[in-house]
Amino acid sequence: KAGVTQTPRYLIKTRGQQVTLSCSPISGHRSVSWYQQTPGQGLQFLFEYFSETQRNKGNFPGRFSGRQFSNSRSEMNVSTLELGDSALYLCASSPGQGKGYTFGSGTRLTVV
Amino acid sequence: GDSVTQMEGPVTLSEEAFLTINCTYTATGYPSLFWYVQYPGEGLQLLLKATKADDKGSNKGFEATYRKETTSFHLEKGSVQVSDSAVYFCALSGRNAGNMLTFGGGTRLMVKP
Repeated sequence: KAGVTQTPRYLIKTRGQQVTLSCSPISGHRSVSWYQQTPGQGLQFLFEYFSETQRNKGNFPGRFSGRQFSNSRSEMNVSTLELGDSALYLCASSPGQGKGYTFGSGTRLTVV
Repeated sequence: GDSVTQMEGPVTLSEEAFLTINCTYTATGYPSLFWYVQYPGEGLQLLLKATKADDKGSNKGFEATYRKETTSFHLEKGSVQVSDSAVYFCALSGRNAGNMLTFGGGTRLMVKP
């Protein structure tokens, strides 16, 4: 059974650019969440999608957005990149509430 | 809001030593509790979970018991191996927070041969 797949694994972008990250959840998982991991702030929740609807959103500026498609695949977008957006972005999928998440290996974004 | 506090690391142990990583939480109601492990360069792997008070989660020799009275979910292992070296995260999923996970700050474990 394939795990959660995130692409690309690594990205280098310039300040001011925008970026799109992709996530393919485990087959049958309809809940997809995104987290940002940095050494200073740790793991912070970005948003959760379920059946193409954003169900929950963390405390991030509007430059961070996401969406989920009908096949449960998800993308997140960050516009007008800042140096502080450099982080490991983790996608996770879940079969249901309270059942825990399976995480992907992440996309490491570096903003220069 | 919900929060998770876990002991700061790094925790350095010799192989075959006993491991305890403390985790306490604050949440409304009765959350589900999780331990995740992160190896270098990888994402998080679910290690174990517990969904109600007095539940014991276990996996790969690791154990944690959901203690409602002390709002704790301490991770233990009787005999650690070098391959257990990683960062361990305690997390909760609150009943009123959808499926969102709130994580502790992580504890780095280093096991020396």
